[in-house]
Amino acid sequence: GAVVSQHPSWVICKSGTSVKIECRSLDFQATTMFWYRQFPKQSLMLMATSNEGSKATYEQGVEKDKFLINHASLTLSTLTVTSAHPEDSSFYICSASGVSSYEQYFGPGTRLTVT
Amino acid sequence: EDQVTQSPEALRLQEGESSSLNCSYTVSGLRGLFWYRQDPGKGPEFLFTLYSAGEEKEKERLKATLTKKESFLHITAPKPEDSATYLCAVQTGPPAGGYQKVTFGIGTKLQVIP
Repeated sequence: GAVVSQHPSWVICKSGTSVKIECRSLDFQATTMFWYRQFPKQSLMLMATSNEGSKATYEQGVEKDKFLINHASLTLSTLTVTSAHPEDSSFYICSASGVSSYEQYFGPGTRLTVT
Repeated sequence: EDQVTQSPEALRLQEGESSSLNCSYTVSGLRGLFWYRQDPGKGPEFLFTLYSAGEEKEKERLKATLTKKESFLHITAPKPEDSATYLCAVQTGPPAGGYQKVTFGIGTKLQVIP
């Protein structure tokens, strides 16, 4: 149980284009989803927290107009990196938690490379 | 500001050599402390949640404990397959459904040598 998937697992895009990453909870309802980014040899940095049907709460320093988050249902959240630049290249990981616990279950991550 | 510090940053053990990883934290309103295992290029894998001081949880060769200031992840007789980065995270905020703040430590990279 508690399986979270992400799609795509890796993506290469050109500078200036937008990329959408999907995060799905496959066997439970995720009331809250989290988006992280992780640079090589560093820990996870929380970007934003989203609750189903509500606007996402962004961490300080994260541009909400650049990283668009949509949590339209209890099983799906999307992160869109708009007008991507090489410095946005990173490992993006989502996680989800259900209504009855605080545990977060992580997806496998998406490797984004912007050329 | 919530802070999570893990030590050591890297640990090399011989197979069968038990040891402990430390996670010290400074937060207001702790909701839970989590331990995760992360393999290179993959998302973290959930291991344990600890909610209150004195709580302990075990899973195979791993045992997590919690005090008011820190948590330990004890590894008993580790095997090479236990090699990974172990992450500690603290969660603060209201119950699920409201804004939740999660802060991760930088992790301890464990290498177990056969």
